[in-house]
Amino acid sequence: NAGVMQNPRHLVRRRGQEARLRCSPMKGHSHVYWYRQLPEEGLKFMVYLQKENIIDESGMPKERFSAEFPKEGPSILRIQQVVRGDSAAYFCASSPSTTKVSYEQYFGPGTRLTVT
Amino acid sequence: DAKTTQPNSMESNEEEPVHLPCNHSTISGTDYIHWYRQLPSQGPEYVIHGLTSNVNNRMASLAIAEDRKSSTLILHRATLRDAAVYYCILSNSGGSNYKLTFGKGTLLTVNP
Repeated sequence: NAGVMQNPRHLVRRRGQEARLRCSPMKGHSHVYWYRQLPEEGLKFMVYLQKENIIDESGMPKERFSAEFPKEGPSILRIQQVVRGDSAAYFCASSPSTTKVSYEQYFGPGTRLTVT
Repeated sequence: DAKTTQPNSMESNEEEPVHLPCNHSTISGTDYIHWYRQLPSQGPEYVIHGLTSNVNNRMASLAIAEDRKSSTLILHRATLRDAAVYYCILSNSGGSNYKLTFGKGTLLTVNP
């Protein structure tokens, strides 16, 4: 079983450019979560999506950041007009479609974004 | 949100048991205790979780204090591959329990 896949693994963008991060959940998983890990910090929740729906985006910055999980294809985290402070590791996780009391999330290897 | 407290770092020798402590004195009755670990340059990996009773799986054991205000992750025989940051996380059984809140964790070093 393939795990959660993220690409690219490393992404370099100049200030003002757009960054697109992709996440393919594990087979059979329809719940996707995005987290951000700034240097020397723990992971912080950003957004929770199900197919074609944003369930909770309370951790997303109000501007420049958006996420989607279309019916077909991977989940996309999009950052417009990147700034140096966006440099971080972005992790995607997925969980099964069946509801569990305790959520066990499976994480991808992350995308390391560097803004120059 | 209930918080957890972990030592910044711990050291162990290969093939010896490791006990990683976590304090969560403000835990509520419906909070689950999760442990994840993050190897260098990788995403977090689920290790184990529990509510009240001690739990065992192929990776580790979780010992939960009777008052639930602390727990201990036990690696029975540490290997070099267990060197990682270990995170103790609480999540409520209802509401937004999918929001895993990662603190600084405990950096485990395993000596050969």
